[in-house]
Amino acid sequence: GENVEQHPSTLSVQEGDSAVIKCTYSDSASNYFPWYKQELGKRPQLIIDIRSNVGEKKDQRIAVTLNKTAKHFSLHITETQPEDSAVYFCAASFSGSARQLTFGSGTQLTVLP
Amino acid sequence: GAVVSQHPSWVICKSGTSVKIECRSLDFQATTMFWYRQFPKQSLMLMATSNEGSKATYEQGVEKDKFLINHASLTLSTLTVTSAHPEDSSFYICSVRVISATEAFFGQGTRLTVV
Repeated sequence: GENVEQHPSTLSVQEGDSAVIKCTYSDSASNYFPWYKQELGKRPQLIIDIRSNVGEKKDQRIAVTLNKTAKHFSLHITETQPEDSAVYFCAASFSGSARQLTFGSGTQLTVLP
Repeated sequence: GAVVSQHPSWVICKSGTSVKIECRSLDFQATTMFWYRQFPKQSLMLMATSNEGSKATYEQGVEKDKFLINHASLTLSTLTVTSAHPEDSSFYICSVRVISATEAFFGQGTRLTVV
């Protein structure tokens, strides 16, 4: 089955700086890669996703890059704000059917004011 | 996006009792729902895939006789934790993926505490 590894497990940045979180996946059949933000006790919220036919996607301060050859994808958050502090999860799946997501281990991001 | 409602949001039960958690898709029919478990400061781990009208598919290491899943209709899946023990205390969350879309939709989650 799919295995997703995520690094780092914790990340502290100063407000205004950029944050980068990296993930690798094992199943070359995976073609859908979402990123979720989860606040304590809440459900995961989709912040951005990318399909395997695209190398990069951007939405305001958030961007995701995908390297299919190397099987890794990254989340980039620019101009970080204190409200960006949360746990971030990457995930991977095959989107062609109702298959489950496999999640990375999570990154606790802390933005220091 | 799709709306997934999970109930209850939190529950405290005594050791040895059973607890039922409901997951409803409010605005579409879901032939498949997924149940995840999340321990504190850990990731979401898939427990089982709930299939409407047939038996659930359980992940390795998840006891099917302890975590009973029923998916009797296209809008409702239930997870029953039988003979709960303190080590079952966790955050349980359901998810639905519509075949025509790629995005997954999550319920609010249920915080189970077994005392």
